[in-house]
Amino acid sequence: GAVVSQHPSRVICKSGTSVKIECRSLDFQATTMFWYRQFPKQSLMLMATSNEGSKATYEQGVEKDKFLINHASLTLSTLTVTSAHPEDSSFYICSADPPYQETQYFGPGTRLLVL
Amino acid sequence: KQEVTQIPAALSVPEGENLVLNCSFTDSAIYNLQWFRQDPGKGLTSLLLIQSSQREQTSGRLNASLDKSSGRSTLYIAASQPGDSATYLCAVGVYNTDKLIFGTGTRLQVFP
Repeated sequence: GAVVSQHPSRVICKSGTSVKIECRSLDFQATTMFWYRQFPKQSLMLMATSNEGSKATYEQGVEKDKFLINHASLTLSTLTVTSAHPEDSSFYICSADPPYQETQYFGPGTRLLVL
Repeated sequence: KQEVTQIPAALSVPEGENLVLNCSFTDSAIYNLQWFRQDPGKGLTSLLLIQSSQREQTSGRLNASLDKSSGRSTLYIAASQPGDSATYLCAVGVYNTDKLIFGTGTRLQVFP
């Protein structure tokens, strides 16, 4: 089956630094990937749609200059949290759509803690 | 704006019970509906996908139904097991996009 990986699985950083999270589709090409964030005991909130070779589409209320998304290849999308603050601490999950399938496959998530 | 709600928010049952988890959505114009399972600190695993034209889907001990006109879906788990303990999320697919709108989740605990 389709596999999506994320790296790192866990990261702790100081306030004000930037953190990059990678999302890879391991055995298929994905022109579209999605980034979600999830606060403790809450559901997933879609942040943005990452499109290969073009700009990401951000959901309302998500700061595009704070959450930089780059989808440079058909198997890799990156999310960079710039100038991270404690309120950015969350669980970030990506997903990807394999071709000709209607379900998204999700990565294992990245837990970000900003001190 | 589509809103997806799940009831109950949490559920604790003894092993062997049959369970019903509920999902409701405010806009019936959905492309599909999916049920996912999430283990603590992990990603999501797709359980069942129901197309908007379908009424139900079954996989093993799981059965999901969809009533688009009333904006409801249920996930039925037969003969629950401790290994079923997880958070269950429903998500509706948005037409003309690949977006998913997730529900609030039901945290299930099945004890021996």
